[in-house]
Amino acid sequence: NAGVTQTPKFQVLKTGQSMTLQCAQDMNHNSMYWYRQDPGMGLRLIYYSASEGTTDKGEVPNGYNVSRLNKREFSLRLESAAPSQTSVYFCASSSGQQETQYFGPGTRLLVL
Amino acid sequence: QKEVEQNSGPLSVPEGAIASLNCTYSDRGSQSFFWYRQYSGKSPELIMFIYSNGDKEDGRFTAQLNKASQYVSLLIRDSQPSDSATYLCAVRPAAGNKLTFGGGTRVLVKP
Repeated sequence: NAGVTQTPKFQVLKTGQSMTLQCAQDMNHNSMYWYRQDPGMGLRLIYYSASEGTTDKGEVPNGYNVSRLNKREFSLRLESAAPSQTSVYFCASSSGQQETQYFGPGTRLLVL
Repeated sequence: QKEVEQNSGPLSVPEGAIASLNCTYSDRGSQSFFWYRQYSGKSPELIMFIYSNGDKEDGRFTAQLNKASQYVSLLIRDSQPSDSATYLCAVRPAAGNKLTFGGGTRVLVKP
């Protein structure tokens, strides 16, 4: 039982490049989330998906798009990366929006 | 004012002592409160959650909630070097279902 998995683990991009961060969970959870974590800032919610087929903006959605591909997978896309998007990105899932969130191992992204 | 505030630390405690971490929140109607532990370079993992005023104990950890004063605390008894980590407080506000995280408190347990 892998829980929440994320790919890639590390990525270096040049300004203006695009990329997609992948997230999958095998816990049959309905809700999935994307956070970014910057030093001293805690975790900030980028986008979330309460259930398959729905997505909503979080606290810091600008510069990102998401796709809830199916119940298991929730991807985060950076269309034109900027240095301000250098961060650690965490995906999380929960059985419902009121329930405990479980986190993936994270993706470290550096934008030059 | 941040919605969820924590002292960034580091909180340095000797091995075997009690570590006391505090978290204050601004939304008086918040209903659910979570403590996550995050080791350096790793993802957050849930330690405890608490919904009702009072204390909740789980092993060496005790969460304390005081909704009137809008704070939640975490006590770590018999602190071990393996408890050295950053502890994140998360609050679910009254409106909506999203968690709001504090910036975290770094704890260092010295042998």
